[in-house]
Amino acid sequence: GQQLNQSPQSMFIQEGEDVSMNCTSSSIFNTWLWYKQDPGEGPVLLIALYKAGELTSNGRLTAQFGITRKDSFLNISASIPSDVGIYFCAGPPQGGSEKLVFGKGMKLTVNP
Amino acid sequence: GAVVSQHPSWVICKSGTSVKIECRSLDFQATTMFWYRQFPKQSLMLMATSNEGSKATYEQGVEKDKFLINHASLTLSTLTVTSAHPEDSSFYICSARPSGGAYEQYFGPGTRLTVT
Repeated sequence: GQQLNQSPQSMFIQEGEDVSMNCTSSSIFNTWLWYKQDPGEGPVLLIALYKAGELTSNGRLTAQFGITRKDSFLNISASIPSDVGIYFCAGPPQGGSEKLVFGKGMKLTVNP
Repeated sequence: GAVVSQHPSWVICKSGTSVKIECRSLDFQATTMFWYRQFPKQSLMLMATSNEGSKATYEQGVEKDKFLINHASLTLSTLTVTSAHPEDSSFYICSARPSGGAYEQYFGPGTRLTVT
């Protein structure tokens, strides 16, 4: 089945630094979703992207839908301690399925 | 908006008993809900897709007789783990897709199940 390759798998940064992560697929996606999961909680939707080339911001978060429709990236600017968590990319596989395919996640640690 | 609740948030049960987990969309209707299982330090594993008023569609390898799903209304889906065993201990998370919406799913806070 379709898989999403998410990188890096983890990052350790200092408070105030920017961080970037990306997600790639071997096949085209029509929607890209970015989620954040805190320990012991369910994932929370951060940003949804629907069009190739689309650049969307949500506060300090910015995400882009790649032109090839096979990748997406998420940037966090001026990180703060509460940004700690696991970030997942996700998208619906081709074929009209309602299901989502998830990346393996990127664990972010922010040192105060 | 787009709030999903789960109950209970954690449960401990004895081996051989059954446990029911509820998933509710609080401020929207959801024709489709999903049940996931998550192992420590891993991504989410889809167990089944639940459609209101019809039978759930289970992923390969998921026992439908063990994990009973009922989607009785547009705001409620339940997962019953029957005859639970210690290997069923896990973090179970539901999500809901708004009716008429795009592909985004909104997740509940999860239920930690421990079978002793």
